Amino acid sequence: DVVLTQTPPTLSATIGQSVSISCRSSQSLLHSNGNTYLHWLLQRPGQSPQLLIYLVSRLESGVPNRFSGSGSGTDFTLKISGVEAEDLGVYYCVQGTHAPWTFGGGTKLELK
Amino acid sequence: QVQLQQSGAELVKPGTSVKLSCKASGYTFTSNHMNWIKQTTGQGLEWIGIINPGSGGTSYNVKFKGKATLTVDKSSSTAFMQLSSLTPEDSAVYYCAPGAFAYWGQGTLVTVSS
Repeated sequence: DVVLTQTPPTLSATIGQSVSISCRSSQSLLHSNGNTYLHWLLQRPGQSPQLLIYLVSRLESGVPNRFSGSGSGTDFTLKISGVEAEDLGVYYCVQGTHAPWTFGGGTKLELK
Repeated sequence: QVQLQQSGAELVKPGTSVKLSCKASGYTFTSNHMNWIKQTTGQGLEWIGIINPGSGGTSYNVKFKGKATLTVDKSSSTAFMQLSSLTPEDSAVYYCAPGAFAYWGQGTLVTVSS
């Protein structure tokens, strides 16, 4: 199975600060069809996960543009340009290139 | 809007089975494969498997073969997951999520305890 390693496991930030989360894959996530099925989720406390970014860098409808995704192959990054209070929670990367789909271990974003 | 209404929390005994449901609305049920995901504090998020509501075809994570059985009822736009031979390690929150995880149900808490 593909292993997704997220760093850091915990991130402390102040409101307005820009932060980045890394997701590294044990295999290339480039599919034979040319797509890279790497997505980012946010799970706020007590809620279900929600999709933020899909296919590495595409912003899901309704998600603020302070969120951005980048990367290729095995290295991917989620950036939040100016953290807001509503951004607190656990961020997960998930891959859908190689079955079984797998999730990263999560990065908890908390207020400093 | 898309809604996924999952069945309520379950408290079940070891060795028994439980069937969870996920009723979809706001989109064409047969147009998106339905994923099922397990969440525990210790193991995080795990993908269990996926079902094509149109054909009934399924694909499972090897780890959950024999544990989970996915089915659908197209007439009611409802997906089901049966978990069998339950042990305390099956205690978790289970989610349904169609397609590429754009929408999630509210989750069903399953507690396996004697």
